[in-house]
Amino acid sequence: GENVEQHPSTLSVQEGDSAVIKCTYSDSASNYFPWYKQELGKRPQLIIDIRSNVGEKKDQRIAVTLNKTAKHFSLHITETQPEDSAVYFCAPRNQAGTALIFGKGTTLSVSS
Amino acid sequence: DTAVSQTPKYLVTQMGNDKSIKCEQNLGHDTMYWYKQDSKKFLKIMFSYNNKELIINETVPNRFSPKSPDKAHLNLHINSLELGDSAVYFCASSQDLGSTGANGYTFGSGTRLTVV
Repeated sequence: GENVEQHPSTLSVQEGDSAVIKCTYSDSASNYFPWYKQELGKRPQLIIDIRSNVGEKKDQRIAVTLNKTAKHFSLHITETQPEDSAVYFCAPRNQAGTALIFGKGTTLSVSS
Repeated sequence: DTAVSQTPKYLVTQMGNDKSIKCEQNLGHDTMYWYKQDSKKFLKIMFSYNNKELIINETVPNRFSPKSPDKAHLNLHINSLELGDSAVYFCASSQDLGSTGANGYTFGSGTRLTVV
C-alpha cells in the first residue's frame, strides 16, 4: 500500500516567517495530492490540493509544489500568522484511487 | 446546516460493551469513510463505502462493523470494546471515490470514544 512520510513532525516559526512541510509518497500511480489543516479539537479541512498534471498551485499565502519524479510534494505558507498554528496533513490518493492515505501530521506553531 | 454530522460527539463506556456511532451527510456525495485518529494524531482509514457498497476494509478487528443503509448514512458498530479502541473516530464523505471533487473530503466533527 501507499507509504506516506511527512517532515518535519513539528515546526516552530515566528510570525511573518515562511513554513515549508514536505511529504514523500511511495506509489508512483498516485495522481491527487491534497493538504489538510486540523486545528486543535476540530475536524481536518482541505486547504489546497494539486493534481499530477500541475507542478505548482497557489492560493493567497499558501502554495503546493509537486515533484512526481522524486515522489514528493510540499506545502508552503508565507507570512505566517498565529492562526496558522495547527496540525497539517498530506494525504495522497492511494494506488487504487479509492481513498486518501494521510501522513502522520506536522504540528506548526506560529509565535507572535 | 451541518454537511456531515456524527453522533454522539462524546462516548464514554466500559470495556466489553457494544456501541454504535452514526454518521449522516446531506451533500449528495457518493462515498463515505471512517477514519480513526489516535492520541498521536495519526489518521488511519478503516472503511470506505461507495453507493452503499464496501470498497475498503482495512486491517481492523472484526469487532468493528460498518453499515450503510443508504448512501447518505454510514454507521459504525463496535463490539466488545477494548481500552485500545479509545480514539477519535471521524466520518467523512466525498463526491466520488478518492475525492476528486472540488472540496475533497468533508469531515464530520468526530466522536471521541473513551473506553474505561
